[in-house]
Amino acid sequence: AQSVTQLDSHVSVSEGTPVLLRCNYSSSYSPSLFWYVQHPNKGLQLLLKYTSAATLVKGINGFEAEFKKSETSFHLTKPSAHMSDAAEYFCVVSENTGGFKTIFGAGTRLFVKA
Amino acid sequence: DTGVSQDPRHKITKRGQNVTFRCDPISEHNRLYWYRQTLGQGPEFLTYFQNEAQLEKSRLLSDRFSAERPKGSFSTLEIQRTEQGDSAMYLCASSPTGGGTDTQYFGPGTRLTVL
Repeated sequence: AQSVTQLDSHVSVSEGTPVLLRCNYSSSYSPSLFWYVQHPNKGLQLLLKYTSAATLVKGINGFEAEFKKSETSFHLTKPSAHMSDAAEYFCVVSENTGGFKTIFGAGTRLFVKA
Repeated sequence: DTGVSQDPRHKITKRGQNVTFRCDPISEHNRLYWYRQTLGQGPEFLTYFQNEAQLEKSRLLSDRFSAERPKGSFSTLEIQRTEQGDSAMYLCASSPTGGGTDTQYFGPGTRLTVL
């Protein structure tokens, strides 16, 4: 069965410190994994995606994520948080099999303190 | 590329009324998706279209919900006899082809409030 778990509902960091948003997944096949960001009153925006190429994926705005098959994880990181990073982040797993199988995690709200 | 647009952005209705939402995908995108997002949750899949064909519907899509994409371009989502539990953000997304690796591009959503 396919599932995705975001381990923290809220994360709070100070501006300029590292960000870590954790995501574990379960998939019967080789999945594609995505991170989306949702700012208030704005649509979901793709940060990055993993599609079985390089395990370390670089995205927009300095974010990156590492696919670890042995740990079934796809954690999102950023070396230095900026105030504009405050938003809701969603980890998404998608299987390229018959039928539609794309599942969003419940989301992690990132707070950035000045 | 003007992005995915949705109309209206907000809709307030009384219980029992019918509502219709519109989604205009990115031009030439073959796939169009509808999701529902409630407060504190991630988007949940409702249905999707490949061109004008509706290929899959979630169990969340009760018989009060219907979606169309008549010419393979814009899509409408209608909810009949609305209930308070239908209050949510309704998101539309489109993608070029629809494989599992395809990036879905999302619209800003329509926020529905049922009184």
